[in-house]
Amino acid sequence: GAVVSQHPSWVICKSGTSVKIECRSLDFQATTMFWYRQFPKQSLMLMATSNEGSKATYEQGVEKDKFLINHASLTLSTLTVTSAHPEDSSFYICSARPTLSSYNSPLHFGNGTRLTVT
Amino acid sequence: EDKVVQSPLSLVVHEGDTVTLNCSYEVTNFRSLLWYKQEKKAPTFLFMLTSSGIEKKSGRLSSILDKKELFSILNITATQTGDSAVYLCAVDRGSTLGRLYFGRGTQLTVWP
Repeated sequence: GAVVSQHPSWVICKSGTSVKIECRSLDFQATTMFWYRQFPKQSLMLMATSNEGSKATYEQGVEKDKFLINHASLTLSTLTVTSAHPEDSSFYICSARPTLSSYNSPLHFGNGTRLTVT
Repeated sequence: EDKVVQSPLSLVVHEGDTVTLNCSYEVTNFRSLLWYKQEKKAPTFLFMLTSSGIEKKSGRLSSILDKKELFSILNITATQTGDSAVYLCAVDRGSTLGRLYFGRGTQLTVWP
């Protein structure tokens, strides 16, 4: 079945540094991938839509200069949290949908990245 | 503003009980409603519902959508401890397929 790999699984960084998270579709191509953030005991909040070969589309309230998204190939999207602060500590998760799939195909999620900023 | 509201937010039952989880929504450009189960990490897909009144079943789980009343229910019969998880309801809406709007989830705990 379709597998989405996310790396790293967890990362601890110091305040002010940048962190890059990778999201790969392992056995399918994905023109579009999605990045979500989940705070403890809260739901998944869509941050942005990552489009292969073009700029990402950000949801209202998400700073595009802080959360840089690059979707350079049909199997890889990256999210870089720039100048991270403790309030950026969260669970970041990506999802992807095979490009060549029917309308009724569901999204596949990566296993998420637990970011802790100290 | 789009809304997806799940109830109850938490539920504690004993093994063998039957539970019903609720999800109501108000969104523009509705495409489909999805249910996911989240344990520790990634949500795992349960159901995708696009048409009203057609029940989808998978083992002890079933779900149905009412597009007139804008809600869906997820039923779990003969619950087991392995059913303990957060159950998330999400709506796919807008022009981009896969742009999901999630509810807060229902935390289900099944005691032996």
